[in-house]
Amino acid sequence: DIQMTQSPSSLSASVGDRVTITCQASQDISNYLNWYQQKPGKAPKLLIYDASNLETGVPSRFSGSGSGTDFTFTISSLQPEDIATYYCQQYDNLSVTFGQGTKLEIK
Amino acid sequence: QVQLQESGPGLVKPSQTLSLTCTVSGGSISSGGYYWSWIRQHPGKGLEWIGYIYYSGSTYYNPSLKSRVTISVDTSKNQFSLKLSSVTAADTAVYYCARVSFSDSAPHDYWGQGTLVTVSS
Repeated sequence: DIQMTQSPSSLSASVGDRVTITCQASQDISNYLNWYQQKPGKAPKLLIYDASNLETGVPSRFSGSGSGTDFTFTISSLQPEDIATYYCQQYDNLSVTFGQGTKLEIK
Repeated sequence: QVQLQESGPGLVKPSQTLSLTCTVSGGSISSGGYYWSWIRQHPGKGLEWIGYIYYSGSTYYNPSLKSRVTISVDTSKNQFSLKLSSVTAADTAVYYCARVSFSDSAPHDYWGQGTLVTVSS
């Protein structure tokens, strides 16, 4: 099974900061990587699919990059409404795995 | 706009079978093009994929849960269901249903609001 290592587990940043979260796969998953945002008490929301494609309606300050085993999720200018937990998710051989999550807080 | 809604008992006794249904509106399961997924989240923890189903009935399960999980589909009701047998307190979680797009990475693009299931006597 492919393991996903997401870091950091928590992050504190100021409004306007550039924020980066990484996800590393235990083996090559091409671009089979998605990113989600989850706010407290709510279902996750898809932000980025296939590593770098912005889901329709998602603000352009969110972006994703990477392929193979190393992936990056970036918020170019943190906004107060971005406070949430972010998860990566990989797909390989008909199986799905989520990263451990990164809790993002305002400094 | 596709909407998904989970339903089922919020309390299940240990050793019994947890049963949940997801009702899909705004789109037809039988039209194809999507898988339909179950995911759970233990209190204060991360997301765990349980499995998914295609309208034809093809299923794929998380290997760690496979021996206890059954996912089925009822296209006439536009619903799909989850059964998890021999539950313990460790199965207490919020259970989500979601639609899985047929993109390379299986993105879950629409989710239900989630339903909390507590396993307790």
